[in-house]
Parts: sequence; structure tokens; C-alpha cells
Amino acid sequence: YVLSQPPSVSVAPGKTARITCGGNNIGREKVHWYQQKAGQAPVLILHYHNDRPSGIPERFSGSKSGNTATLTIARVEAGDEADYYCQVWDTSSDHVVFGGGTKLTVL
Amino acid sequence: EVQLLESGGGLVQPGGSLRLSCAASGFTFTSYAMTWVRQAPGKGLDWVSTISGSGDRTYYADSVKGRFTISRDNSKNTLYLHMNSLRTEDTAVYYCAKWVAVIPAGDPFDYWGQGTLVTVSS
Repeated sequence: YVLSQPPSVSVAPGKTARITCGGNNIGREKVHWYQQKAGQAPVLILHYHNDRPSGIPERFSGSKSGNTATLTIARVEAGDEADYYCQVWDTSSDHVVFGGGTKLTVL
Repeated sequence: EVQLLESGGGLVQPGGSLRLSCAASGFTFTSYAMTWVRQAPGKGLDWVSTISGSGDRTYYADSVKGRFTISRDNSKNTLYLHMNSLRTEDTAVYYCAKWVAVIPAGDPFDYWGQGTLVTVSS
């Protein structure tokens, strides 16, 4: 199972960023999103495609349909600059699968 | 407070062995599956291996199967990764991470350690 993400997304402060994660019938999967800032460990920011762990701002939201899951970051701030990864559990192989990651640049 | 502290990384020659440890605290260790994820320099996240809460189920990425062994000592709240026949492409920061369930399935990792660097080079 392969998850495809765009290598990079750029957005101006205050605008909305959308990061996609493509996979075969990903709409049927439980999708999770992680944020990794430079030099730090990843942090879970969305689980089960649209639930936020405690402490994660409401600006972060998720959706999925068909072959695409999307992480949306509203009112982007400079502090949101990071790499973002989607993740699923592939039940056919009992493997964890990560997308290749998307570098979000705040202009 | 959940804490995961990895150790055991370092420089090793190709073909060599290394054992990583992850000391866990702040939660009931036996109630959660644990996993190792690695990240090569400048690259993305790469799943390595997962073990169930009781330790009776293990899962491996194809790239490490037969060379790496995941284990846990629930009496010591410690996760291990035994790495044999190391290759240059195994060079990475290795993170341990906690699942939100006792058996891995469609659930996320809710806590990660800070990682330990493994460098495989002659």
C-alpha cells in the first residue's frame, strides 16, 4: 500500500494550506497525520482522519474521500512551518505505512 | 507524563550489530503496543517494527525482516530493537513510539521519543 504526498506546499500567513495524501480507497482507512518540526520528533496532530488530540488547535482539520485524504490548516502561522506525514495501517500486510511527507513553507 | 527515552545508538561497521533500548514511563506499559520508526538523514518517516502489549505479536518491515528483532521487557517498562547484519542504508534516527491500543491495528502513535542516531559506516 502506497501513500502519496506532494513534496512541498507553500502558503502565505493567514491563508489556508491543504496537504493531500493519496492512496487506493483511502476513504475506507483510518488516516492519521503527524507534524514534524525541524530537529524534533513527530507529533500526532490528527487521528482517525479528523479528530484532534488535546492541545492541537482547531485550525487543523482533516477530510477524506475516495482515494484522497486532506489535511487543512486554516489561518496559517509561521509556527506551522514543518513536515507533515499521513499514516495508515495496511490490513492486508499488517504494516504501518507513512506517506513520503510534505514540507509546508510559510511565505 | 508519558516519557519515552531511547538509547543505544552509535557508529557501527557494516555487518555489525547494535541493540537499541526505549525506556518508558508515565503509562501502563503492558497496555500498549510499541513501535520503532526510523528516519534517514533528510528523508521521511520509515516504519521498522511493532510489538503488541504482551509481546506475543511482532511485525516487521520487509527491509528489516530477518535482520532486526523487536522485543520488550514489561517488568522493566523497556522496549528493545536488536539489529544485526547492519547496512549503510540502515543509517537513521530511530524513534520509539507508543500506540493507543494494545494490539496494532488502524490506530495512531500518540507519543514519540526524541530518537537515537544509528550510523552504519566503515
